[in-house]
Amino acid sequence: ETGVTQTPRHLVMGMTNKKSLKCEQHLGHNAMYWYKQSAKKPLELMFVYNFKEQTENNSVPSRFSPECPNSSHLFLHLHTLQPEDSALYLCASSQDRNTPYGYTFGSGTRLTVV
Amino acid sequence: AQSVSQHNHHVILSEAASLELGCNYSYGGTVNLFWYVQYPGQHLQLLLKYFSGDPLVKGIKGFEAEFIKSKFSFNLRKPSVQWSDTAEYFCAAYGQNFVFGPGTRLSVLP
Repeated sequence: ETGVTQTPRHLVMGMTNKKSLKCEQHLGHNAMYWYKQSAKKPLELMFVYNFKEQTENNSVPSRFSPECPNSSHLFLHLHTLQPEDSALYLCASSQDRNTPYGYTFGSGTRLTVV
Repeated sequence: AQSVSQHNHHVILSEAASLELGCNYSYGGTVNLFWYVQYPGQHLQLLLKYFSGDPLVKGIKGFEAEFIKSKFSFNLRKPSVQWSDTAEYFCAAYGQNFVFGPGTRLSVLP
């Protein structure tokens, strides 16, 4: 365990479904991130939360909706996804956005959209 | 814009061969550099990092990396790879933002 826990590990959903990914960290970090990892593509930063405030949204389609109720929890709500959204979704945390002494990553949620 | 490039998409080596994975970054200011590794089916984990001081950085599992400022490079090395080093390796840089390279897949043949 890395200290960053993601659930579920695997998710298969239809294009009309609504589901949520969950990320939890108990490292005392104040910044949390969602990344998308697709085959043969660089890691794509999706969202950044710093002290519970969303500070970055890298042109992510609105069918992805993040939520950060507190510094320890981060959600990614999914709605009407497309097959090309199938990927590994990684959550990460760091001390805060401006002092990146490395990130701690979760194991990811493998999402398949059918 | 800040970017990180990695020279090779896929490297195949035999056990005991020496490894060098290239990484170059583009950023004119002070930069922190990292190498992460992702073993099959596992999470990304930090191998080593450079913030300042000695440009030769030693990490876990016998890996090291050298920061060459004049070349904007931070290449990863290991003198003798093992089958268990088979993984994907990501270089990352923090200047204005945290940016990952596209990754290099390393396959070590037993």
